[in-house]
Amino acid sequence: TQLLEQSPQFLSIQEGENLTVYCNSSSVFSSLQWYRQEPGEGPVLLVTVVTGGEVKKLKRLTFQFGDARKDSSLHITAAQTGDTGLYLCAGYGNKLVFGAGTILRVKS
Amino acid sequence: EAGVAQSPRYKIIEKRQSVAFWCNPISGHATLYWYQQILGQGPKLLIQFQNNGVVDDSQLPKDRFSAERLKGVDSTLKIQPAKLEDSAVYLCASSFRTSGGERQFFGPGTRLTVL
Repeated sequence: TQLLEQSPQFLSIQEGENLTVYCNSSSVFSSLQWYRQEPGEGPVLLVTVVTGGEVKKLKRLTFQFGDARKDSSLHITAAQTGDTGLYLCAGYGNKLVFGAGTILRVKS
Repeated sequence: EAGVAQSPRYKIIEKRQSVAFWCNPISGHATLYWYQQILGQGPKLLIQFQNNGVVDDSQLPKDRFSAERLKGVDSTLKIQPAKLEDSAVYLCASSFRTSGGERQFFGPGTRLTVL
């Protein structure tokens, strides 16, 4: 069974601070996705990373896929209150497997 | 473009009762998924359909859960009888393939509370 562990489970920071969320596994994935989920809504795809070592930027968000395609990180620069939500990583093996998520709260 | 529609949004039932959820995927998406998301956890795949055929139902508790997608479009997920541990958000997703791989679109979910 492929498992994804996310850390930290919960993060509360002030607006303007930087943060990094980690997603780790002992399994190799063909690709890895990051989602953001707000209360009462389904997850929304932020990015897909496919190649080991790949780095993708989405405005203030930077996503990195590990060289061995077993881990990934999400870095947010100068967090805003609108970044508040649940961040989920998900890896594709033979199906999409989700981590438990990181709850991010950005305070003004 | 309309997203994935789900109903009802909320449902409260007592244990041992039955419940059904409905999902209408994005038009043209052949693949449909049902996920269970327990509070504090990520979504867990219950069943995957390709058109009206089942691709993967390995994590579906078949003694109480059933799902169908008769015409290859909308789908229903049923729980009969419900247990306390079935309290969760049930998410429906549909997908299409791009050059970068598969992309899933999720509905808003149905929040089920079993008392």
